[in-house]
Amino acid sequence: AQKITQTQPGMFVQEKEAVTLDCTYDTSDPSYGLFWYKQPSSGEMIFLIYQGSYDQQNATEGRYSLNFQKARKSANLVISASQLGDSAMYFCAMRGGDAGGTSYGKLTFGQGTILTVHP
Amino acid sequence: DVKVTQSSRYLVKRTGEKVFLECVQDMDHENMFWYRQDPGLGLRLIYFSYDVKMKEKGDIPEGYSVSREKKERFSLILESASTNQTSMYLCASSFQASRSPLHFGNGTRLTVT
Repeated sequence: AQKITQTQPGMFVQEKEAVTLDCTYDTSDPSYGLFWYKQPSSGEMIFLIYQGSYDQQNATEGRYSLNFQKARKSANLVISASQLGDSAMYFCAMRGGDAGGTSYGKLTFGQGTILTVHP
Repeated sequence: DVKVTQSSRYLVKRTGEKVFLECVQDMDHENMFWYRQDPGLGLRLIYFSYDVKMKEKGDIPEGYSVSREKKERFSLILESASTNQTSMYLCASSFQASRSPLHFGNGTRLTVT
């Protein structure tokens, strides 16, 4: 079974500062992928960034980067130069195979972290 | 742009009613999913489908069923709605490639009274 844990129910950051949102995971699958999504108050789910378990480098997408520490089973999201529009709920998610290798792409989500950016 | 469309943004139903939530995607994705989102619990997978007429139970299938008669359409059915099924329901779709993200609809907020 896969499990994603986000231990920070809420985080606060000052505008223009960097913030790290924590995510730890548990899986027995040797091959897996990690995703981060943003959900603003409007409710839409916005895909931010992806990290494959065998990727050689940490993923980056603009102001988003993923601090992937495989041995620690952590995949923290780093947002640089925070903006007011970054205030939202953030979800970490994992895709992996079950014992039979038939995940068919389903994602397991964490509980989410609410990020508030202060001006 | 990928578009995943859920038929209703808000629904109010009575206990015991049969409820249909419809989802359509326009990107020829093989996979489709139904999640429910509740505060403090994140998103939990109800059912998913990896091909027409194929379906698999997710983590919380009890009280729900699904139908996928066409590739672009995935329906969630609450056979007899109960108050504990009051929630936000999110439909998503994706390709089967491992790096393919899920694309979500805007959600249906269902209230069962």
